[in-house]
Amino acid sequence: SQQGEEDPQALSIQEGENATMNCSYKTSINNLQWYRQNSGRGLVHLILIRSNEREKHSGRLRVTLDTSKKSSSLLITASRAADTASYFCATLRNQGGKLIFGQGTELSVKP
Amino acid sequence: DVKVTQSSRYLVKRTGEKVFLECVQDMDHENMFWYRQDPGLGLRLIYFSYDVKMKEKGDIPEGYSVSREKKERFSLILESASTNQTSMYLCASSPGEPNQPQHFGDGTRLSIL
Repeated sequence: SQQGEEDPQALSIQEGENATMNCSYKTSINNLQWYRQNSGRGLVHLILIRSNEREKHSGRLRVTLDTSKKSSSLLITASRAADTASYFCATLRNQGGKLIFGQGTELSVKP
Repeated sequence: DVKVTQSSRYLVKRTGEKVFLECVQDMDHENMFWYRQDPGLGLRLIYFSYDVKMKEKGDIPEGYSVSREKKERFSLILESASTNQTSMYLCASSPGEPNQPQHFGDGTRLSIL
């Protein structure tokens, strides 16, 4: 069963704008991870946030985690055309090592 | 950098054939995973392995088996390929320590005719 649910399913913005993607999940987690997938390629890990963390930054990426609401958001600031990709959240449950992926947000950044 | 290599980017097979998908990682990772990715369904875990000769069923193991004879190699086997196994197959690996990300190969797009 799918744990993470991304919102929106698709997002189209202009270069330079910020992009925000949200992820909700249902059960307790150990950590939440965001991945990026370019068309026809494998997934690339972006950032991991543990259940006891509330915010994490990496370059132009900012991830927040609200365990009380069982939700996370990924913010990409000053977007570029090269950010065009699908973005997935994945949760690691407290028991076991299996990641559960959402269905992803398709981000299109227009030059 | 971690490299996860899948043997084929594209593969076309016929119904009923036995199909082998190979995956090799070069970072001595304990954990290895096989997923399939389909439009509207996201990534679904088929099988995973925490150690050599060890395997665990994922969410959709039916019609598949796996083999892990060496730490660096994890093979996915379609015992008798069917058209509903046409999909993108992704292999991943991760270290055995907790709170580590998975590293993915570029995928194999498999078509069963």
